[in-house]
Amino acid sequence: NAGVTQTPKFQVLKTGQSMTLLCAQDMNHEYMYWYRQDPGMGLRLIHYSVGEGTTAKGEVPDGYNVSRLKKQNFLLGLESAAPSQTSVYFCASSNRGETQYFGPGTRLLVL
Amino acid sequence: RKEVEQDPGPFNVPEGATVAFNCTYSNSASQSFFWYRQDCRKEPKLLMSVYSSGNEDGRFTAQLNRASQYISLLIRDSKLSDSATYLCVVRPRGYNKLIFGAGTRLAVHP
Repeated sequence: NAGVTQTPKFQVLKTGQSMTLLCAQDMNHEYMYWYRQDPGMGLRLIHYSVGEGTTAKGEVPDGYNVSRLKKQNFLLGLESAAPSQTSVYFCASSNRGETQYFGPGTRLLVL
Repeated sequence: RKEVEQDPGPFNVPEGATVAFNCTYSNSASQSFFWYRQDCRKEPKLLMSVYSSGNEDGRFTAQLNRASQYISLLIRDSKLSDSATYLCVVRPRGYNKLIFGAGTRLAVHP
């Protein structure tokens, strides 16, 4: 039982490049989330999904897009990376009203 | 003003000490409360939920004061393995989204 997995673990991008972060969960959870964590700040919600085929904006959605084509996967895309998007990205999953389980994180550096 | 505020620390304590962390939240409609633990360069993990009547899990005690919009976490008999960042987390009523504080760092030394 892997729980929540994220790929890649580390990534370095140049400004303007694009990339996709993949999150996968094997707990059959309905809800999935993408957060970013920056020094001195709490985790901030980027986008979330309450079921396959649905997505919604969180607190800091600008510059990111997401897709949930399969229940177990939640993709986070950066179309044109900016240095301000340097951060640690965490994916999480849960069922409604239940504990959120987090993946190990992706460390992204945008030069 | 941040929705969830915590003292960032660090709290440096010897093994065996008792340490308390505080957290305040701004949304009076908040419904659920949690403490998460995050080890260095790792993901957050649920430590315990916080109930209105207060609750205890081994050496950890959580308290909630809705009137003052204040949450606390008490750790007794600190262990080296308790060294981590403790995140105060709030779920507003009607939402499945969580609001995280920036965390309080604890360092327990021999």
